[in-house]
Amino acid sequence: AQTVTQSQPEMSVQEAETVTLSCTYDTSESDYYLFWYKQPPSRQMILVIRQEAYKQQNATENRFSVNFQKAAKSFSLKISDSQLGDAAMYFCAYRGDYGGATNKLIFGTGTLLAVQP
Amino acid sequence: DAGVTQSPTHLIKTRGQQVTLRCSPKSGHDTVSWYQQALGQGPQFIFQYYEEEERQRGNFPDRFSGHQFPNYSSELNVNALLLGDSALYLCASSLVIKGYGTDTQYFGPGTRLTVL
Repeated sequence: AQTVTQSQPEMSVQEAETVTLSCTYDTSESDYYLFWYKQPPSRQMILVIRQEAYKQQNATENRFSVNFQKAAKSFSLKISDSQLGDAAMYFCAYRGDYGGATNKLIFGTGTLLAVQP
Repeated sequence: DAGVTQSPTHLIKTRGQQVTLRCSPKSGHDTVSWYQQALGQGPQFIFQYYEEEERQRGNFPDRFSGHQFPNYSSELNVNALLLGDSALYLCASSLVIKGYGTDTQYFGPGTRLTVL
């Protein structure tokens, strides 16, 4: 069974600084997808970034980028120029590539990010 | 473009009662997945509906059941509520791409269920 581990329960960053959130996963599959979701106090789970395992290039979305190390099964999220609105719980998630309509997400336990002004 | 909507926002029930939660998917999506998120935890997959059928189920008892309607909206039913069912219930919608699988899942705001 696949598992996702986030070893940092809480992180803190100064506004305008850079922070990296860690995620490791375990799978025997070769094709899969990895995601970072953000959950602010409003509870809405918001997609931050997505990475396809077959792509060697790391995904980037504005101030958010990932460091995807397939052999090490590591998928970290880097947030540059941190803003107060980035404060939230961040979840790493895994999804297998089954080619069918049964692609559930497997989540880690989350990292609570605080942004200090 | 309407995103995923869920109702109600909050719900308080007592042990033994039954509850129904509702979800309308994002426009253009045809698949609905339900997740349970206990306080301080990551979401846990309950089940997924596509073409009005349950396609995959997580490790949840039969007390948890669901339904998908022809307009792709979905319901989650929980019978014989237990205190441990208190959680945030999240609905996510996605689009099946034939031969590829479901695309990225987008989440609704959730329903907070409290069982007393």
